[in-house]
Amino acid sequence: GAGVSQTPSNKVTEKGKYVELRCDPISGHTALYWYRQSLGQGPEFLIYFQGTGAADDSGLPNDRFFAVRPEGSVSTLKIQRTERGDSAVYLCASSPTGSAGELFFGEGSRLTVL
Amino acid sequence: GENVEQHPSTLSVQEGDSAVIKCTYSDSASNYFPWYKQELGKRPQLIIDIRSNVGEKKDQRIAVTLNKTAKHFSLHITETQPEDSAVYFCAAGMYSGGGADGLTFGKGTHLIIQP
Repeated sequence: GAGVSQTPSNKVTEKGKYVELRCDPISGHTALYWYRQSLGQGPEFLIYFQGTGAADDSGLPNDRFFAVRPEGSVSTLKIQRTERGDSAVYLCASSPTGSAGELFFGEGSRLTVL
Repeated sequence: GENVEQHPSTLSVQEGDSAVIKCTYSDSASNYFPWYKQELGKRPQLIIDIRSNVGEKKDQRIAVTLNKTAKHFSLHITETQPEDSAVYFCAAGMYSGGGADGLTFGKGTHLIIQP
């Protein structure tokens, strides 16, 4: 595809439920990042993959959050036992190997926890 | 960890005037400083970046300056136009040959261009 694709674009769930958010990066981009953005704030780093492995997961807020990228392309962010404070736009970005550093963001998945 | 402060939170300028947004960072190990523009309801997009081995970079009406000693960097937009209206985010992080690590973003500046 032409850009980073994220699904679903909107997700409304109830407190305590499990949620999966999917990211399909630009073809050939080896680096993949997850950020979340709350209203009126800048993106907050969650986790970064180089290929299949998580190079840095220091931004994951707690063990309810987990992300995978089993084949080095599509990634899934998984949130267990959702809380109202998890409500935010979850942004995925990708970047090619040896890039100058530019992140190519998707449109985001807006998560609302009721 | 890194902490990035950004000012002002809102900036209103007359069309044609210049706009300056300032950021400070805390981690002296950071060596990569990008600026992203986000229009309402859209994804953030890179507009300019600078690495710590240079003090200034310019691209047409946009320039960024970096003071490593003071740990601050600024975005300068000259001859502002209505399409410059957006939220601008600064960020700081580590860059290696393979790419950038996770960035720390500022809280954003809402730039309003008055006609």
